[in-house]
Amino acid sequence: DIQMTQSPSSLSSSVGDRVTITCRASQSISSYLNWYQQKPGKAPKLLIYVASSLQSGVPSRFSGSGSGTDFTLTISSLQPEDFATYYCQQSYSTPRTFGQGTKVEIK
Amino acid sequence: QVTLRESGPALVKPTQTLTLTCTFSGFSLSTSGMCVSWIRQPPGKALEWLARIDWDDDKYYSTSLKTRLTISKDTSKNQVVLTMTNMDPVDTATYYCARTPLGVFDYWGQGTLVTVSS
Repeated sequence: DIQMTQSPSSLSSSVGDRVTITCRASQSISSYLNWYQQKPGKAPKLLIYVASSLQSGVPSRFSGSGSGTDFTLTISSLQPEDFATYYCQQSYSTPRTFGQGTKVEIK
Repeated sequence: QVTLRESGPALVKPTQTLTLTCTFSGFSLSTSGMCVSWIRQPPGKALEWLARIDWDDDKYYSTSLKTRLTISKDTSKNQVVLTMTNMDPVDTATYYCARTPLGVFDYWGQGTLVTVSS
């Protein structure tokens, strides 16, 4: 199975800050990397697919980059509604695997 | 409009078999390339992929849970069913189903919390 490792596990930031979350795969997954946002008590929501494609309806302050084993999710200017937990997930091979999550909290 | 909804028991006893149903609308599981997956999340923990069924009835399972899982579909009813045998308290989690084209979980159900306790 491909292992996905996110860093940091949590971070505290202020509204307006630029936030970067990284995800590393245990082997190359080309660009088959997706990002999800999850708020407490809610189902995850797809933000970015195949590393850098923005899902319809997702604000443009979210962006993704990377290929191979190293990937990044960037929020250009953190908004109050962005405080949540973010997960990466590889779709290169089955079984699909997720990172352990990054919790973005208010500073 | 794509929707998915999970249903099943909220409480099961240890050693029992869990059966969950995902009822969906807005897409067809007979369309080439379409898939539905099950994912779970223990309280306060990360997401864990469990199983997937494809439009052509191919089935895939979590490496660690494959001996306990069975996934099936009823295309005419727009339903996907997951069974998990020999339930244990560590299986307490919210269980989600999700539409899965090309490995991406683009639409999710709201989830159903299953507690395993005697």
